[in-house]
Amino acid sequence: GENVEQHPSTLSVQEGDSAVIKCTYSDSASNYFPWYKQELGKRPQLIIDIRSNVGEKKDQRIAVTLNKTAKHFSLHITETQPEDSAVYFCAASGSTGGGNKLTFGTGTQLKVEL
Amino acid sequence: DGGITQSPKYLFRKEGQNVTLSCEQNLNHDAMYWYRQDPGQGLRLIYYSQIVNDFQKGDIAEGYSVSREKKESFPLTVTSAQKNPTAFYLCASRATGVGTEAFFGQGTRLTVV
Repeated sequence: GENVEQHPSTLSVQEGDSAVIKCTYSDSASNYFPWYKQELGKRPQLIIDIRSNVGEKKDQRIAVTLNKTAKHFSLHITETQPEDSAVYFCAASGSTGGGNKLTFGTGTQLKVEL
Repeated sequence: DGGITQSPKYLFRKEGQNVTLSCEQNLNHDAMYWYRQDPGQGLRLIYYSQIVNDFQKGDIAEGYSVSREKKESFPLTVTSAQKNPTAFYLCASRATGVGTEAFFGQGTRLTVV
């Protein structure tokens, strides 16, 4: 089955700096890669996603890049702000279960310091 | 008010007892999921269902059971066979197929006392 690894587990940056979180996946048939943000005490919410036919996607301060050959994808947050502090999860979905199985990474605790 | 609702928010269980966590959605989603969240271990898939009366084991199904008798409902039973059930449980749903957003419930925190 699919295995998603995520690094680092914790990340501390100064306000205004950039943050990068990296994930690798094992199933070459995976073709959808979402990123979720979970604030303390709240439910995870989708912040950006990318499909396998695209190499990069941007939405204001956040971007995701995908390297299908290497089977890894990354989340980039620029100009970080205190409200970016949260746990971020990457995930992968593909052919398993008719495209419905959604496997998550172990999460990255991002702390943006003033 | 559309969404996905889990109940209860907090649940206490005595050792050796089965307990059922509720998950209801009115988003008309075919696919539903149960994840377990432990510190440092991310979201681990317990079971998922693509359609009514069908479900598949995830990565940590042992000690859990589910049913999908209605499209809107996907209850999770934590049985006495689950050795370490204390955790935060999240239910999610999404439209069938690749590339659709998963929506999460607010979670149920289960504690064994």
